Amino acid sequence: KAGVTQTPRYLIKTRGQQVTLSCSPISGHRSVSWYQQTPGQGLQFLFEYFSETQRNKGNFPGRFSGRQFSNSRSEMNVSTLELGDSALYLCASSPDRGTREKLFFGSGTQLSVL
Amino acid sequence: DQQVKQNSPSLSVQEGRISILNCDYTNSMFDYFLWYKKYPAEGPTFLISISSIKDKNEDGRFTVFLNKSAKHLSLHIVPSQPGDSAVYFCAASNAGGTSYGKLTFGQGTILTVHP
Repeated sequence: KAGVTQTPRYLIKTRGQQVTLSCSPISGHRSVSWYQQTPGQGLQFLFEYFSETQRNKGNFPGRFSGRQFSNSRSEMNVSTLELGDSALYLCASSPDRGTREKLFFGSGTQLSVL
Repeated sequence: DQQVKQNSPSLSVQEGRISILNCDYTNSMFDYFLWYKKYPAEGPTFLISISSIKDKNEDGRFTVFLNKSAKHLSLHIVPSQPGDSAVYFCAASNAGGTSYGKLTFGQGTILTVHP
């Protein structure tokens, strides 16, 4: 079974631009979560989608948004990029048989904002 | 407000010895805890988990201990192998129907196992 696929792997943008990151979950997984990882901060939860609906959201500004498609693929968008948005963005999927499911992570998209 | 803390940024051990990674949490609502391992340029991979109704869970060389009264958990790796060298993240989730997909992670501990 293929794992979680994130594209692109690396991205360089400048301040003020916007960016869209893509995530394809493991086949059959309907829940997709997004996390931001910065040095020294661990992983910070952004949001979670299930059946095209956002079920949970972390404490990030409205510049961070996401969506999920009918095939469970998900995208996240960051508008008006700031230098502090430079981070590794990780997508994770789970079968969602409950809230106890361990998450399966992709390799991430490394975003650099100049 | 760091609800899950890993106070040791790094740990270095000799191959064959025990590695003990520690994690503290402050939120009493957390009732499920997980450890993830992360290699460079890869996403975190699930290692082992424990429910708050237990105080110990074993899986091969990996054992997680939970001390609810102290709000502390630890991961023991015995014996440690060079391939265990990675960043280890402690994570927690809380009960209730609104925790979908949300894990609260610690900052991570870099484990280096020397041959």
